[in-house]
Amino acid sequence: QTVVTQEPSLSVSPGGTVTLTCGLTSGSVFTNFYPSWYQKTPGQAPRTLIYNTNSRSSGVPDRFSGSILGTKAALTITGAQADDECHYYCVLHLGSGQRVFGGGTKLTVL
Amino acid sequence: EVQLVESGGGVIQPGGSLRLSCAASGFTVFANYMSWVRLAPGKGLQWVSAISADDTTHYADSVKGRFTISRDNSKNTLYLQITSLTADDTAVYYCTREEYYFDRSGYRVPYYFDFWGQGTLVTVSS
Repeated sequence: QTVVTQEPSLSVSPGGTVTLTCGLTSGSVFTNFYPSWYQKTPGQAPRTLIYNTNSRSSGVPDRFSGSILGTKAALTITGAQADDECHYYCVLHLGSGQRVFGGGTKLTVL
Repeated sequence: EVQLVESGGGVIQPGGSLRLSCAASGFTVFANYMSWVRLAPGKGLQWVSAISADDTTHYADSVKGRFTISRDNSKNTLYLQITSLTADDTAVYYCTREEYYFDRSGYRVPYYFDFWGQGTLVTVSS
């Protein structure tokens, strides 16, 4: 069974840049998996950040950007701020109606 | 304005059943893909089930056979019937709309979750 992989945790300095990745245990991530990224803070509904690999959802600052880096989808945050500290999840559409979340990355800003 | 409001969560004994509801406004559920996503304590987000505009349904392997997604177009409401509950089903359940596009064949292709409800908590405990 193919699993979607993310770094369990990452840290970034305030004002710094960090890249989170989203891969597959078997194979590469391609744009036709429609990678999307979601931000999750405790007690809040998930917030859509990036869809279709690199399109920003309405209201999302351009500090957040999406791409394909090598064999993985990537979310890059530039100019990290304290309120960027939360969990980030990617989703891939793997066919046969299956939408699969990665395990999530806990981002610490320190 | 698009709004999704979940309800129906609560404390339920193992083996029990529950029906979650998601009242939608600002759009029509019958013309869209809709999904349920859950967040269990200490775990990550998990896609659970989806229903398409043509009533095709999909389920994650972990819930197949126990969960049933449906909708009532007259009430503009999405449902999730969950049965044979175990402690592993304890989670906040979110209703979400999926954006789609039309491919060259005119087929709707869902590709991301664009609107989310606030969630409803299901706790499985004796």
